[in-house]
Amino acid sequence: EAGVAQSPRYKIIEKRQSVAFWCNPISGHATLYWYQQILGQGPKLLIQFQNNGVVDDSQLPKDRFSAERLKGVDSTLKIQPAKLEDSAVYLCASSSSTGGETQYFGPGTRLLVL
Amino acid sequence: QKEVEQNSGPLSVPEGAIASLNCTYSDRVSQSFFWYRQYSGKSPELIMSIYSNGDKEDGRFTAQLNKASQYVSLLIRDSQPSDSATYLCAVRPSDYKLSFGAGTTVTVRA
Repeated sequence: EAGVAQSPRYKIIEKRQSVAFWCNPISGHATLYWYQQILGQGPKLLIQFQNNGVVDDSQLPKDRFSAERLKGVDSTLKIQPAKLEDSAVYLCASSSSTGGETQYFGPGTRLLVL
Repeated sequence: QKEVEQNSGPLSVPEGAIASLNCTYSDRVSQSFFWYRQYSGKSPELIMSIYSNGDKEDGRFTAQLNKASQYVSLLIRDSQPSDSATYLCAVRPSDYKLSFGAGTTVTVRA
């Protein structure tokens, strides 16, 4: 069974530029999560999708971050414009249901904002 | 107050020793508790989950949960150099959202 796929793996941009990350969850997993992990901290949930609907985006900085999961499968997270403090690893995870206990993480995208 | 707090570490243990990791949480009605291992530069992977008070053993790992004290721990017995990683405690509070601690970095000395 293929795991969670993410791309790109690394991205370096300048502040005020925009960037997009892509995630393809494990086949059949209805729930998809985007986390931000700043160096030295645990992952922080940005947004959770159940199929193509948003379940929780309370910690998503909506003035600059957006995410979509149009067909209930893969998802895109966008930052526009980026700030220095957005430098982090962006992790995508999926689980079989909202109450599914095990979240499987992708390899992450490392973003550096200069 | 942070939702999930872990002893900051780093924790250095000799090979073959027991590594003990601690985690406390603030939401009293939390029902699900997890330990993830994260190697440097890699993504977290689930190693243990526990839902009831008491101990749960899986190989060299033992998770301990005390809901009255809002405390969960992880013991790693016979520590190996391959256990060197950051261990993240995660708690599912009253809603469905998983909250992570900052992690404890463990180094096993050969």
